[in-house]
Amino acid sequence: EPEVTQTPSHQVTQMGQEVILRCVPISNHLYFYWYRQILGQKVEFLVSFYNNEISEKSEIFDDQFSVERPDGSNFTLKIRSTKLEDSAMYFCASSHPEEGGNTEAFFGQGTRLTVV
Amino acid sequence: QKEVEQNSGPLSVPEGAIASLNCTYSDRVSQSFFWYRQYSGKSPELIMSIYSNGDKEDGRFTAQLNKASQYVSLLIRDSQPSDSATYLCAVKGYNQGGKLIFGQGTELSVKP
Repeated sequence: EPEVTQTPSHQVTQMGQEVILRCVPISNHLYFYWYRQILGQKVEFLVSFYNNEISEKSEIFDDQFSVERPDGSNFTLKIRSTKLEDSAMYFCASSHPEEGGNTEAFFGQGTRLTVV
Repeated sequence: QKEVEQNSGPLSVPEGAIASLNCTYSDRVSQSFFWYRQYSGKSPELIMSIYSNGDKEDGRFTAQLNKASQYVSLLIRDSQPSDSATYLCAVKGYNQGGKLIFGQGTELSVKP
């Protein structure tokens, strides 16, 4: 069964360092997303990406965040200068429009980012 | 502020019982509704989607949607210990590729 894959599963970085989280969405999906979940809190939307551009972003997704689809398969989230409060699980998701316009989003296994 | 509200629980039911999970949402233009299951430390796993008022059944799971009351529920029949997890309600607007807004999740514990 097709699945969203994310690497690495766990990333430890020092405050102020840049990190790149990688995702391979399901191959025929058209919409790509990043979400994050701080420990014990709800899943929060960061950004959505369609047709090689950002379609929507949240207040969390400030200038230190960027996304890129560098080739036909990878979708990356870059955090330029990490802060302690960026420590969270980061989930990539993808979806494909179904008949009637409905879409179901499927999540990768997540990358646990720890900023020290 | 668009909100999705769930009782955080924990909800404890005996094995074989029906577990009932509830969710309310604030944005009346919401079009799509989803239930995800999340085991501790794992990612959300889609278990049900519902788009129209009424009931939708899939195996032991039944999702119920009432748009007038802005209410979504999930029933799990014949609950099993393996159903013990946090259940996340998620809501999406009218955009096909629109974002999901999640509730805080309800922790379900099924006791053998």
